[in-house]
Amino acid sequence: QSALTQPASVSGSPGQSITISCTGTSSDVGGYNYVSWYQQHPGKVPKLIIYDVSSRPSGVSNRFSGSKSGNTASLTISGLQAEDEADYYCSSYTSSSTLVFGGGTKLTVL
Amino acid sequence: EVQLVESGGGSAQPGGSLRLSCAGSGFIFTYYWMHWVRQAPGKGLMWVSCINNDGSSTIYADSVKGRFTISRDNAKNTLYLQMNSLRGEDTAVYYCARGPRIPVAGSDMDVWGQGTTVTVSS
Repeated sequence: QSALTQPASVSGSPGQSITISCTGTSSDVGGYNYVSWYQQHPGKVPKLIIYDVSSRPSGVSNRFSGSKSGNTASLTISGLQAEDEADYYCSSYTSSSTLVFGGGTKLTVL
Repeated sequence: EVQLVESGGGSAQPGGSLRLSCAGSGFIFTYYWMHWVRQAPGKGLMWVSCINNDGSSTIYADSVKGRFTISRDNAKNTLYLQMNSLRGEDTAVYYCARGPRIPVAGSDMDVWGQGTTVTVSS
C-alpha cells in the first residue's frame, strides 16, 4: 500500500491556474475511476472537493476540476484565490479494496 | 445538520489499548459506509479502515491489520475503532468520515468529524 505520489509543493499567483498531479499505478489510480481530492487548511478538517475523478460535491466552486490519464490523476484550480492556500490530498481505491492517499501538496498563493 | 463527533482519544503506553467512538447525526447512519483516517503530527492523511453499512464487511490498512478492529452499532448511530497493541507510530489525530451511501460505489469521504487525538508514549 504505497502512498500515491504528489509534488510536495506548488505555487501560483492570484488569478492564475495551477495543477497538482497524483501518480499511482494500474492497481489504484489507473484501474478505477474512484479518485478523490481533499483540501485541508491548517488546523482544520479535510474537505472533499472532487470525487470519482472529476465530480464536484454540491457547494464546491467550479474553479476546482479533476481529470485522469493513465495512472496519473490531476487537480486543477483556476482563478487562484488567497483562500485556496491549503494542503491538498488525492486518494484512490485500490485493487486490494483498500484506500490510499497521496503524500499531500502544499499550495502557496503568492 | 449532518455531523460526526469522535471521542475516546487520549494517551496510552506502547502495547496498550484505546477504543475510539464516532457518533453520527443528521443522516441515516445505517445507509452509509464509514471510514477511519488518521494524521500523524505534521504529516499527511493515512487511511486506516472502513466498514460497510451493516457491519458485515471490514477492511484494514496493512499497518493496523490484526491490531485494530472497526465496528458499528447502527441502533446507536455509532462507529468504533478498537486499537490494541498500540505503537508509537499510531500517534495521530483520528478522524471518522462518511463514505458512499449504498448502493452507490465509490471511495469518497464527504463528511468528516473534528478528530480525536491519540498519543502513544511511555
